[in-house]
Order: sequence, then C-alpha cells, then structure tokens
Amino acid sequence: SAVISQKPSRDICQRGTSLTIQCQVDSQVTMMFWYRQQPGQSLTLIATANQGSEATYESGFVIDKFPISRPNLTFSTLTVSNMSPEDSSIYLCSVRAWGGDDEQYFGPGTRLTVT
Amino acid sequence: GQQVMQIPQYQHVQEGEDFTTYCNSSTTLSNIQWYKQRPGGHPVFLIQLVKSGEVKKQKRLTFQFGEAKKNSSLHITATQTTDVGTYFCAGSILIAGNQFYFGTGTSLTVIP
Repeated sequence: SAVISQKPSRDICQRGTSLTIQCQVDSQVTMMFWYRQQPGQSLTLIATANQGSEATYESGFVIDKFPISRPNLTFSTLTVSNMSPEDSSIYLCSVRAWGGDDEQYFGPGTRLTVT
Repeated sequence: GQQVMQIPQYQHVQEGEDFTTYCNSSTTLSNIQWYKQRPGGHPVFLIQLVKSGEVKKQKRLTFQFGEAKKNSSLHITATQTTDVGTYFCAGSILIAGNQFYFGTGTSLTVIP
C-alpha cells in the first residue's frame, strides 16, 4: 500500500490567480495521476504525471492550464492556473504502487473554491 | 473518450436487503476495478477483475466481469449501514496506456 498526503487540504482563491497542489507519497511508486471530482460526481482523470518528462494529459485538459511536475518517484505537483469559478472542485492525487494488482491509492484531496 | 456508465445513480435500501450496481463500457476493457468512496472520503480500492466472465467474492460482496469484457456488476448481500457510500467501477484499455477511467458511480444509502 501507499500513504499519500496532499497540501493544501483546502483553499479559497480569487479568480485569475494560480494554486499549486502538492502530492507526497511515503514510498516509491510507478505511476502518479491527478483527478478532479466535483461534489457528488465521478472522478475525471486530468493527467498522468511522468517522472522526468512532460505529463500526459487527457482530452480537455492542457498543460498551460494544469502544469504538472514530477521530479522524483514520490512527489508531484499540480498547478491550477488563471483560475475561474468553474475550477472549483476537489483535486485528488492517485498512485499505483510497484507490484500488486494495479490498484490505485488516493490522497485525501484538495478542496478548491474559486471566488 | 472512453465512457463508463453505471446504473442506478442512486439506491436506497433497507438494512438487510441486497444491492446491485451495474457498470457498462462503450469499449472492450482490459481490466475493471471497483472502488468505494465514503461520504467526505476518498476512493478506496476494492478489487480488480481481469478475465472474461471472472467472478470474485469478498465476504458479502460479489464482483462479476462480463463475457465480452464490456460490463461488470457488484452485488452486496444483506446490506449493513457500513456499506453506505458511492461505488465506482473503473475500466482500463491497454491502448490508452492502462489508465483507469471511472464510471459515473452509484450512491448507496442503507436505511437502518
């Protein structure tokens, strides 16, 4: 298993600003992902964070809006840039550990409100 | 993109009744996973199914993967209040890089 922490746990931000969310894992993992979840809704995959190279973004998400870093096997950041109220959501970091059954472990999430 | 639908969207059951949620994909899946998310919590992995027609059991939970690998189901026998939460299936297709795409979810309420 993997224990994941995210910072901040929540934030209220003004329109037009940017927020960087950090994801720290207690062990080295193969893959790291970023998801977005509106309250009461499903999870939408934003991108796969690749170590040492550019992230792989899903349709509808672009690097300029959601730049992602992954400098090593245990840490990643997601930045939400030039925020608008539509970006208000819960952002979840998820990882896949070495070996195992491809199960994904999720962080506690970052609740973002944009005013 | 890949679409994974679940029905029903909501289900209220009396404690002790059974519950089933169904997951349907528009494309053939490599694997399917099931997660449970308690209110206010994050998704927690339950199980993964890989083979066509596979059935797995975890105590009162039975998971099934369809023969065509396009659908799956989760059945809970004799629900308890601890079963409350939203159940998500998540499917992967190899050509997409083995990322998992989450279904729409079924929210289960258990009435004591």
